[in-house]
Amino acid sequence: DGGITQSPKYLFRKEGQNVTLSCEQNLNHDAMYWYRQDPGQGLRLIYYSQIVNDFQKGDIAEGYSVSREKKESFPLTVTSAQKNPTAFYLCASRPGGLDYGYTFGSGTRLTVV
Amino acid sequence: GENVEQHPSTLSVQEGDSAVIKCTYSDSASNYFPWYKQELGKGPQLIIDIRSNVGEKKDQRIAVTLNKTAKHFSLHITETQPEDSAVYFCAALNQAGTALIFGKGTTLSVSS
Repeated sequence: DGGITQSPKYLFRKEGQNVTLSCEQNLNHDAMYWYRQDPGQGLRLIYYSQIVNDFQKGDIAEGYSVSREKKESFPLTVTSAQKNPTAFYLCASRPGGLDYGYTFGSGTRLTVV
Repeated sequence: GENVEQHPSTLSVQEGDSAVIKCTYSDSASNYFPWYKQELGKGPQLIIDIRSNVGEKKDQRIAVTLNKTAKHFSLHITETQPEDSAVYFCAALNQAGTALIFGKGTTLSVSS
């Protein structure tokens, strides 16, 4: 059963720590995305990757980093430089080309404690 | 910068009524406009989309209309049911054709 899996579902971070959110897809999609969701703010683009070993910054990339070493995987690291990391993080993928329909994961809720 | 505005932010209707959510976009080069439904604690799911060469698209109780001249597009849900209660997001493809820009969402509540 193909899909996109985010883990963990809940994550707690202490101030000053880096944490990594996992995103794995078995849909054979070329492009992958990370969005941040805050109440009343919609979804804001952090990073995206259209091909392995290549990625681009979105609108709110500061304090985040990504890698795309495998087609299936697009992990997001929230660094200590991100001053307000508490949010719901969504990973998405799409086939590529002219097919723009995203498939989303079920999200990771990150809380700073 | 590229922007998508969505209204209203909340919408309450009685079961069986229609619901309409409206969005405007800033980039005239956008040519793909999807709508997503998000239930509590879950990721958004695509419910319908429209491309710029089409003015209207319908799928059972859901329809989307697009006015490219005015840069408006709308979601219409007819005969609403309690299970339609969720947050709905509109989106537009950015100018580079690489990512979706989302509106801030509409919380729809359907009461029986």
